[in-house]
Amino acid sequence: EPEVTQTPSHQVTQMGQEVILRCVPISNHLYFYWYRQILGQKVEFLVSFYNNEISEKSEIFDDQFSVERPDGSNFTLKIRSTKLEDSAMYFCASSEGGSNTDTQYFGPGTRLTVL
Amino acid sequence: AQSVTQPDIHITVSEGASLELRCNYSYGATPYLFWYVQSPGQGLQLLLKYFSGDTLVQGIKGFEAEFKRSQSSFNLRKPSVHWSDAAEYFCAVGPIYNQGGKLIFGQGTELSVKP
Repeated sequence: EPEVTQTPSHQVTQMGQEVILRCVPISNHLYFYWYRQILGQKVEFLVSFYNNEISEKSEIFDDQFSVERPDGSNFTLKIRSTKLEDSAMYFCASSEGGSNTDTQYFGPGTRLTVL
Repeated sequence: AQSVTQPDIHITVSEGASLELRCNYSYGATPYLFWYVQSPGQGLQLLLKYFSGDTLVQGIKGFEAEFKRSQSSFNLRKPSVHWSDAAEYFCAVGPIYNQGGKLIFGQGTELSVKP
């Protein structure tokens, strides 16, 4: 069964460093998402992406964050200058279409630790 | 504002016992409701979803959920829990397509299963 994959599974970085989290969505999916979960808190929406553009972003997704689909298979989240509060589990998701009935399929997550 | 509440952070049940995980939502229109499960090291896997029609929906792994509009609830049930059901369970509402397709998640309920 097709699945969303994410690399790395765990990333440790120093505050102020740039990180890139990588995702490979399901191959025929057109809509892509990033969510994050700070330890002990809710899973929160960060950004959605369709047709090489951001569809929507949350207030969390400030200028330090960017997303890109550099080729036909990868979808990346970049944090330009990490802060301690960026430590979280980051989930990538994809869906085939953009209707209300399209299911979002999630990857296993990348745990980001900022020291 | 849309929100999801899972009142129970952690539940422990004995193997073979019945299970009910609670979920309450706040949503301005007809909700689309989801239950996801996350096993350790795995992504968020869709258990079941409610879009319309029959308010009792069946999912994978023997789970079911009942949508009760009058109570703004979408509780997850299983008649007989197996040790492999130990995981974290997330209720979600959405996708909200005038807001980029985001899902809004509850805080999650961690299920432990006693032998």
